[in-house]
Amino acid sequence: SAVISQKPSRDICQRGTSLTIQCQVDSQVTMMFWYRQQPGQSLTLIATANQGSEATYESGFVIDKFPISRPNLTFSTLTVSNMSPEDSSIYLCSVEDLRGVNYGYTFGSGTRLTVV
Amino acid sequence: LAKTTQPISMDSYEGQEVNITCSHNNIATNDYITWYQQFPSQGPRFIIQGYKTKVTNEVASLFIPADRKSSTLSLPRVSLSDTAVYYCLVGDAGNAGKSTFGDGTTLTVKP
Repeated sequence: SAVISQKPSRDICQRGTSLTIQCQVDSQVTMMFWYRQQPGQSLTLIATANQGSEATYESGFVIDKFPISRPNLTFSTLTVSNMSPEDSSIYLCSVEDLRGVNYGYTFGSGTRLTVV
Repeated sequence: LAKTTQPISMDSYEGQEVNITCSHNNIATNDYITWYQQFPSQGPRFIIQGYKTKVTNEVASLFIPADRKSSTLSLPRVSLSDTAVYYCLVGDAGNAGKSTFGDGTTLTVKP
């Protein structure tokens, strides 16, 4: 399966600032996914990032708040803009891996963001 | 997208077999069933995937009845290190990115 390096692993940020999270994969992948996991909650898909096209955002998430870059097939960034304490969450990137005859997800270790 | 329902939490003791059942009544013909394990401060980890009947790997077994409206993850002889949240996901090969994570089952293994 793919190996994902996600940076930073954690950060504490001031409200009103922005943080860019990086996700590096050790193989070329078509789609990369960004998730948010609020404290004690399940994972929520923020957006799907395809190389060479605009990211596709899920309901409740907008590009101005969570701009995404996908410059090549092994790298993506997610920016959390104009942060507020409500943005305190774990942010995870993932990719699809072929697991036998079908696909499953491989996840990075996540970025734990605290906004103060 | 198929909605999944799992128990919120389960308790077990070391050495016991644990079975976690997931309901997915509106599973589609092309959908596969995949289970993930998540430890605190880590991303979810792929455990097992299946389409029908039984699948077994070195970690777990997955039982899927003929109507595929539910599935059961079986963890043999659990240890304290199996304490984690377990998620079942239902989706198809070409649309895996749109699989929705349910609430998951928090398994607590006690000594």
